[in-house]
Amino acid sequence: NAGVTQTPKFQVLKTGQSMTLQCAQDMNHEYMSWYRQDPGMGLRLIHYSVGAGITDQGEVPNGYNVSRSTTEDFPLRLLSAAPSQTSVYFCASSYSLGENTEAFFGQGTRLTVV
Amino acid sequence: QKEVEQDPGPLSVPEGAIVSLNCTYSNSAFQYFMWYRQYSRKGPELLMYTYSSGNKEDGRFTAQVDKSSKYISLFIRDSQPSDSATYLCAMMTNQGGKLIFGQGTELSVKP
Repeated sequence: NAGVTQTPKFQVLKTGQSMTLQCAQDMNHEYMSWYRQDPGMGLRLIHYSVGAGITDQGEVPNGYNVSRSTTEDFPLRLLSAAPSQTSVYFCASSYSLGENTEAFFGQGTRLTVV
Repeated sequence: QKEVEQDPGPLSVPEGAIVSLNCTYSNSAFQYFMWYRQYSRKGPELLMYTYSSGNKEDGRFTAQVDKSSKYISLFIRDSQPSDSATYLCAMMTNQGGKLIFGQGTELSVKP
């Protein structure tokens, strides 16, 4: 049971390049989400999904695209990288059922845009 | 105004002290109230959560939720140097999938 797997762990991009951050979970969770973490800002929600084929925007969606074709995978695409997208990105997988909930995070992707 | 506000700290305490971490929120629809711990260069890990209001205790950690005041707290008793980390509060409605985080409080416990 691997939990939430994010790849790559580190990435350097040039301004204007595009890339995809991968996220996979093996817990059959219905919910998946992407966050970015910047110093002093906590984790800010970029996009989230409540099930395969369903996605929605979070607090900071501009410049990012997502899709959820399977329950297991939730890739995040940077369309044209900008220095403002330099950050640490976390993917999360979660469920909630009545009073019970759980959210597991990946180990993060450190992205630098130069 | 952010939906969830957290005292940013940083907070430095001596070993053995009682630590109090707090968050306020504005969305009355939040039902899940969580506390995460994050060590440097690692992903957040869930410490504990409370559904709706009330208290929850787990070892040295106690979480409290006061929905009338829209205020949550995490208390750490007999703090240890290994508790040194960033603590993040997070909240979610019954719709699920959308965690809203506070800014995080950096805690340092000195031996």
